[in-house]
Amino acid sequence: GEDVEQSLFLSVREGDSSVINCTYTDSSSTYLYWYKQEPGAGLQLLTYIFSNMDMKQDQRLTVLLNKKDKHLSLRIADTQTGDSAIYFCAESNRNSGYSTLTFGKGTMLLVSP
Amino acid sequence: DVKVTQSSRYLVKRTGEKVFLECVQDMDHENMFWYRQDPGLGLRLIYFSYDVKMKEKGDIPEGYSVSREKKERFSLILESASTNQTSMYLCASSKTDTDTQYFGPGTRLTVL
Repeated sequence: GEDVEQSLFLSVREGDSSVINCTYTDSSSTYLYWYKQEPGAGLQLLTYIFSNMDMKQDQRLTVLLNKKDKHLSLRIADTQTGDSAIYFCAESNRNSGYSTLTFGKGTMLLVSP
Repeated sequence: DVKVTQSSRYLVKRTGEKVFLECVQDMDHENMFWYRQDPGLGLRLIYFSYDVKMKEKGDIPEGYSVSREKKERFSLILESASTNQTSMYLCASSKTDTDTQYFGPGTRLTVL
């Protein structure tokens, strides 16, 4: 079945770059996503990348996709304390005929001043 | 902007009670989803619906049921709440022609 793996924890200093990595298994995924969850809140869509793209940049966020290795990464430039949150990687699935997402367990990013 | 709302942010119920969690979206999305989120386990899909009155089981449907009488509203029902259903419950919606899901703020349910 589909599976998405992420490292559980990342700690960086304010102003540094953060890189959160993810591996997925479904080579037929059309879209891959990054969501952000702040404490006690729901998931907020950060960005997504279409499977035929290698890279997408959106202000401080850069998403890199290596389809051959099924590896996705999210780079946050000039990381701020407000970026401290849990980041979820997700792959889209249509194997059952319905549109669903499979999520990783999340990476907790801690940004220290 | 897509808006997904959930009826309660926090809910405390007793074992054996019937519990209703409500979710409403205002963007005419066809698909709606219920997840639970637990530490160390990530998000697990309970049920989803791709149309009014239609439902599909997710990965962990046991102990839950759902209702979708109107396109904008998707209810999660715990027929007889148990302590192991204490969790954060997240609702999401999406359009059929995209896979992007938009989430509500979540309901933290405690069953005593």
